[in-house]
Amino acid sequence: EAGVTQFPSHSVIEKGQTVTLRCDPISGHDNLYWYRRVMGKEIKFLLHFVKESKQDESGMPNNRFLAERTGGTYSTLKVQPAELEDSGVYFCASEGPRGGRPKAFFGQGTRLTVV
Amino acid sequence: DQQVKQNSPSLSVQEGRISILNCDYTNSMFDYFLWYKKYPAEGPTFLISISSIKDKNEDGRFTVFLNKSAKHLSLHIVPSQPGDSAVYFCAASTRGGSNYKLTFGKGTLLTVNP
Repeated sequence: EAGVTQFPSHSVIEKGQTVTLRCDPISGHDNLYWYRRVMGKEIKFLLHFVKESKQDESGMPNNRFLAERTGGTYSTLKVQPAELEDSGVYFCASEGPRGGRPKAFFGQGTRLTVV
Repeated sequence: DQQVKQNSPSLSVQEGRISILNCDYTNSMFDYFLWYKKYPAEGPTFLISISSIKDKNEDGRFTVFLNKSAKHLSLHIVPSQPGDSAVYFCAASTRGGSNYKLTFGKGTLLTVNP
C-alpha cells in the first residue's frame, strides 16, 4: 500500500513568489491534515479536511495560505505571496475512518525555503 | 503557550540500556497520546499510543506510561538499539472533538551509541 506522498520534496523560492505544495493521501483516507515545522520548533497543525470539506483551518497563519482538496482526493497548499517566515517543512498526514484510535500517517514533507 | 512539552532536547544512551523520553502536557482535555519517531529528511512515523483511560501500553521494546494526575507521559525503549537514534515527538489529541488534530512537543533527539 502506498503511503502519503508529497511533492516537491524541496522548494526554494524568492520572497513574493507563489508556491504550491501537493499531498496525495493514502487511498481511502477521508481525513487529511497539513502541518508545518519551523526550524527548531514543534510541528504545528494548519488545517484538516474531511473528504473535500475543510473541518478546521484554525492553524492557518494568514490569508496568504490557501488549501484545497478538490474531489476529496489529493490536496494542495498554496502560499501566495511567500514571505521569509513561511520557510519550514510542511507535512501532510492522512487518517482512516473515525471510531478507531487516532493514528495519522505522515508524508516525508516538503522543505520550503523562502529567500 | 505550549500545551505539550518535551523538556529534554536530546538524550544519549548506550546500546542495550533503557531510553526514557519524557513528555508533559497542560490541557486536561487531551484523551489520546501518541509517540512518533522521525529520521532526518523523513516524515514522522507512528510508534505507539495510549488512551487516557489506561496507564500503560506496551508494544515490543516500546512502552508508554501515562500519569494523568501529573499530566505526564514517558516512552521507554528497552533494550535501546543504534537504529532507534532519531527525533521522538510526543503528541496529544482530543478524540471527542470534530477532528483528531495533533498537538506536538518540540521533540527529543535520541542517540543510541554502539
